[in-house]
Amino acid sequence: ETGVTQTPRHLVMGMTNKKSLKCEQHLGHNAMYWYKQSAKKPLELMFVYSLEERVENNSVPSRFSPECPNSSHLFLHLHTLQPEDSALYLCASSPGREGDEQFFGPGTRLTVL
Amino acid sequence: KQEVTQIPAALSVPEGENLVLNCSFTDSAIYNLQWFRQDPGKGLTSLLLIQSSQREQTSGRLNASLDKSSGRSTLYIAASQPGDSATYLCAALMDSSYKLIFGSGTRLLVRP
Repeated sequence: ETGVTQTPRHLVMGMTNKKSLKCEQHLGHNAMYWYKQSAKKPLELMFVYSLEERVENNSVPSRFSPECPNSSHLFLHLHTLQPEDSALYLCASSPGREGDEQFFGPGTRLTVL
Repeated sequence: KQEVTQIPAALSVPEGENLVLNCSFTDSAIYNLQWFRQDPGKGLTSLLLIQSSQREQTSGRLNASLDKSSGRSTLYIAASQPGDSATYLCAALMDSSYKLIFGSGTRLLVRP
């Protein structure tokens, strides 16, 4: 595997389900990101982790819970989501210093019924 | 608050044409600006990154310019091909931060 990988690629869940999105980067980077891309809206930053410490939380509802157990893995735990949370969730990584180029994964297409 | 705007929202051109995509930002205190390509339903592919101290970057048929004083960046695509059809996104990184601010993108169609 190379670059940034995300699983699953597609996910359908009910409003009462609990699920997790996984991201793994094979680039030796120290910073990882979650972004949300909704239809007809610009990409929005959700969370940033640097050296496994959360450095940015962009006013995201608590039904989204990130976890970064090490510098290569990032999770987004989902519970009691709403239909408006349906979107493409993108993970990215960067070497770690502010201002570094960010590299993106293919995304997870989430549908909440 | 930084805002990034891309014009036009959609563009359709015949194959072989040279074209320019525009990106503007409201806060000139940017650290760098990245251009990305996104194919339908897919993730983002980084095309070019311009540091705030640079005026332009080139990669193959792509050339991106940056004018911080006017708050503008352009992506020039030479001799367009049908394979260039995608959505092109620009994103500004604010000074000393991790936060990329994205535009809404320009959806490009290159007709054979």
